Amino acid sequence: DAKTTQPNSMESNEEEPVHLPCNHSTISGTDYIHWYRQLPSQGPEYVIHGLTSNVNNRMASLAIAEDRKSSTLILHRATLRDAAVYYCILRAINNAGNMLTFGGGTRLMVKP
Amino acid sequence: NAGVTQTPKFRILKIGQSMTLQCTQDMNHNYMYWYRQDPGMGLKLIYYSVGAGITDKGEVPNGYNVSRSTTEDFPLRLELAAPSQTSVYFCASSFVGSGSPLHFGNGTRLTVT
Repeated sequence: DAKTTQPNSMESNEEEPVHLPCNHSTISGTDYIHWYRQLPSQGPEYVIHGLTSNVNNRMASLAIAEDRKSSTLILHRATLRDAAVYYCILRAINNAGNMLTFGGGTRLMVKP
Repeated sequence: NAGVTQTPKFRILKIGQSMTLQCTQDMNHNYMYWYRQDPGMGLKLIYYSVGAGITDKGEVPNGYNVSRSTTEDFPLRLELAAPSQTSVYFCASSFVGSGSPLHFGNGTRLTVT
């Protein structure tokens, strides 16, 4: 399965935008890019996903590079409740069960 | 609007005891998954199922068994608990297809002493 690379940690100020990068240079043409986050003592929570085009939802935006070798999760105004570990994961169409393989993620710290 | 429900929330087992972690979903999802998360680490896939009657091993299946007799339920069985199985266990489900998001339960925190 194609792997992703994320920074171990990032820091942001409250009410400022946050850009969380993810590299996936070996992505295949049919892999979807998924983002999940895990708040302390909770299960992972779906944030957003995309294939080729940029995506927006109520939680975040996903910007996908034209060559699809990288993507960026954008939180438009970070709040203290956004402090979590953010996982960038490729979900392949050609593995049985379309399972998600979690890496280490990026721990986002938000300062008041 | 229950989603994925896991029981129990917490459990302490003695070495060698057995238990079943329950997972049920009400979203009519075909795919279901069991992950474990050790302290400070990412999630690792234990078993998954693509439909009733079909299960397969993930990355770390040793010491566990699963069954999928209905679409809704996907229990995880620990036969002889060992300290190495101390972890938080998460169940998840999704529709078919790599464009479908996974929905996770709130987890079962298991301690084996």
